[in-house]
Amino acid sequence: GAVVSQHPSRVICKSGTSVKIECRSLDFQATTMFWYRQFPKQSLMLMATSNEGSKATYEQGVEKDKFLINHASLTLSTLTVASAHPEDSSFYICSARSPLPGTYGYTFGSGTRLTVV
Amino acid sequence: KQEVTQIPAALSVPEGENLVLNCSFTDSAIYNLQWFRQDPGKGLTSLLLIQSSQREQTSGRLNASLDKSSGRSTLYIAASQPGDSATYLCAVNGYGGATNKLIFGTGTLLAVQP
Repeated sequence: GAVVSQHPSRVICKSGTSVKIECRSLDFQATTMFWYRQFPKQSLMLMATSNEGSKATYEQGVEKDKFLINHASLTLSTLTVASAHPEDSSFYICSARSPLPGTYGYTFGSGTRLTVV
Repeated sequence: KQEVTQIPAALSVPEGENLVLNCSFTDSAIYNLQWFRQDPGKGLTSLLLIQSSQREQTSGRLNASLDKSSGRSTLYIAASQPGDSATYLCAVNGYGGATNKLIFGTGTLLAVQP
């Protein structure tokens, strides 16, 4: 139980285009999801907290007009990288707080490798 | 502001050795601490979670300890195997209810040589 599915796992796009990443909780409802960014050989940096039915809460320094988050249902949050540029290339991971026992609290997706060319 | 540091940044050991990974955090007011494993290009797998009231947790060959007052946690791996090779991340969870956010450490890249 407590599975978070993230799609796509890998995407290559041209500079200036937008890319959408989906994060789904498969067997539980997640009122809150989290989006992280990870640069090579670095740790995870929280970008924003996605709240179902309301606006996301962005961390300091994260451009909310660049990284658009929508949490329209209790099982789906999406991150759209608008007008992507090469510096947006990174590994993006979502997570959700699972209410299921034995799941250690937070469950993570498998990540999305974004490459902007 | 909470800061989490992990030492060493990288570690290479021969198969069969016992090893210790270290995690330190600056603000002792934490709700819990979690250890994760990350394989290259993959998401995170939760290994152990220690509540702030606990001193240690064990799962198989893994044992995690927590000394909240000194801001430290260790992950002990017994009889290491090549399959243990991965990056290990610790993360602290501060107070704040259901929307707590995790603050991650810098990670330790472990290589177990066969």
